[in-house]
Amino acid sequence: EAQVTQNPRYLITVTGKKLTVTCSQNMNHEYMSWYRQDPGLGLRQIYYSMNVEVTDKGDVPEGYKVSRKEKRNFPLILESPSPNQTSLYFCATKKWGQAPDGADTQYFGPGTRLTVL
Amino acid sequence: DQQVKQNSPSLSVQEGRISILNCDYTNSMFDYFLWYKKYPAEGPTFLISISSIKDKNEDGRFTVFLNKSAKHLSLHIVPSQPGDSAVYFCAAIAYSGAGSYQLTFGKGTKLSVIP
Repeated sequence: EAQVTQNPRYLITVTGKKLTVTCSQNMNHEYMSWYRQDPGLGLRQIYYSMNVEVTDKGDVPEGYKVSRKEKRNFPLILESPSPNQTSLYFCATKKWGQAPDGADTQYFGPGTRLTVL
Repeated sequence: DQQVKQNSPSLSVQEGRISILNCDYTNSMFDYFLWYKKYPAEGPTFLISISSIKDKNEDGRFTVFLNKSAKHLSLHIVPSQPGDSAVYFCAAIAYSGAGSYQLTFGKGTKLSVIP
């Protein structure tokens, strides 16, 4: 079964305590991405990766780091979390390339709800 | 500057009637437009898409219309069912020559279908 898994699903932490949210996919997709969802702001892209060892900033990268050492994993790292990073985070993956029918979709993980106190 | 806009945060519709969700965009370089559906406590799931060279795409109860001159697209759900109650995100894709891919989401519209 095609899956995108995220861990943990829920996390409450304190300001400044480094944390990592893991994302793993079993579809051999090249492209992986992280989004955050906030009320009234929709989904905003944090970082993305087009393949192993290739990462780039999205729209809201400040305060986050990522790495892509292997194809299936794309962890999101918060070196020094702050309360404004309290949010719902989604990892997403897709096969690289343009789909001829336009159904160029991303598969989303179930989300990680992070609270930074 | 918001490139994909969903100006209605919420919409309520009676079961069996038509739901129309609207989306406007500003970037004329978008190649594809998509609608995602999101239930609480789940990730978004792909619903339907349309290429920028088409003006309509239909999939069962769901139809997406694209008006390029107005930079406007809409999602029609007919007939609406209670299980359609969810947040719907409009999204747009732009490809660039370097193989870059940009997917931009709107803020979402919460659809409530009333039995």
